Amino acid sequence: EDQVTQSPEALRLQEGESSSLNCSYTVSGLRGLFWYRQDPGKGPEFLFTLYSAGEEKEKERLKATLTKKESFLHITAPKPEDSATYLCAVQAGAGGTSYGKLTFGQGTILTVHP
Amino acid sequence: EPEVTQTPSHQVTQMGQEVILRCVPISNHLYFYWYRQILGQKVEFLVSFYNNEISEKSEIFDDQFSVERPDGSNFTLKIRSTKLEDSAMYFCASSGLDRGLNEQYFGPGTRLTVT
Repeated sequence: EDQVTQSPEALRLQEGESSSLNCSYTVSGLRGLFWYRQDPGKGPEFLFTLYSAGEEKEKERLKATLTKKESFLHITAPKPEDSATYLCAVQAGAGGTSYGKLTFGQGTILTVHP
Repeated sequence: EPEVTQTPSHQVTQMGQEVILRCVPISNHLYFYWYRQILGQKVEFLVSFYNNEISEKSEIFDDQFSVERPDGSNFTLKIRSTKLEDSAMYFCASSGLDRGLNEQYFGPGTRLTVT
């Protein structure tokens, strides 16, 4: 069974204080690892897809990296508007039968104080 | 930029009643999904749909649930006889070749409250 564990559950930062969120996963053949942002009462907003170990992607103050067992979302000099829940999800499929389905972690609630 | 839309934003129903949640996926997308999120819990996969048939469904998606693409734009989730434990946010998502086949784009959700 595919599993995703995110840490920490909650993270409070001061504006400008860089940090990282962790996503550990076990999956039967990784097709892709996804990062989403979710604001309260809203749907997940797509951020990144990573496909293979060593891959990195950047968007504004966010950078996502991937190893064979985990992914990190690095936040550089965060601003209050970066406050949200960040979700990690995996998609199996390389050699498996579960095409399409995303398995989510419980998320990390990020609060950035001005 | 095209987005996934969902209606209604909030649905209140009594236990045992049927509800239909509606979604308009991104135009030209080929794969459609329903997920749900019970308050304070993880986003959970319900069902995927491709080429007018279910591709995969989870254990949650029992005989009380059904999906349909009644025309070229809408994608619906029906719950035949709602239970209290069906109360959750229901998200529709779609993916297609235009943005990367694996990238699923989510709608804003329908909050279902069963009383």
